Amino acid sequence: DVKVTQSSRYLVKRTGEKVFLECVQDMDHENMFWYRQDPGLGLRLIYFSYDVKMKEKGDIPEGYSVSREKKERFSLILESASTNQTSMYLCASSPRWSADEQFFGPGTRLTVL
Amino acid sequence: GQNIDQPTEMTATEGAIVQINCTYQTSGFNGLFWYQQHAGEAPTFLSYNVLDGLEEKGRFSSFLSRSKGYSYLLLKELQMKDSASYLCAVRFSGGYNKLIFGAGTRLAVHP
Repeated sequence: DVKVTQSSRYLVKRTGEKVFLECVQDMDHENMFWYRQDPGLGLRLIYFSYDVKMKEKGDIPEGYSVSREKKERFSLILESASTNQTSMYLCASSPRWSADEQFFGPGTRLTVL
Repeated sequence: GQNIDQPTEMTATEGAIVQINCTYQTSGFNGLFWYQQHAGEAPTFLSYNVLDGLEEKGRFSSFLSRSKGYSYLLLKELQMKDSASYLCAVRFSGGYNKLIFGAGTRLAVHP
């Protein structure tokens, strides 16, 4: 059974804290993605990675960075959390070139106080 | 921009048929996905269209017209468990299987 896991389901942090969200996939997928999901806005792509140590900005990268040191793991970093980064964060993975769908993790609901 | 438009909310009755529409900008189109997302859960894949026509999978079907920039998801014999958000996502050419998502349509199925 294919699986994408995220380190936390719920997280509460304070403004200014550095926050790490971890995502691990066991499908040997080349591509990994980080989205945030907000009511009325849908899923918006923050960053994606198509290979180890490779990353590309998505539509809303400001305030975020990412790290991919191993193929199975993709980390999202909030360097200095702000209240407007309170959101649901979803990680996904997919094979690089196929027509296959993206597989999503369960999400992390982050609240920044 | 690459806007994906779909209705915000729909309601339907158990046992009925509902059609959820999605429109998108046609330039660079390279495939369209439908996902289902129950409240508090991850999106799960429903269907994929890259050529014009209808793809049927049990109670769910998805249609695509590339020239019109239009797709719909058809749900038949609605069940209460079909109450969820339905996300339309388009892959545009440029590689890496990157998707642009619509805001989602929240479907409520009533007895």
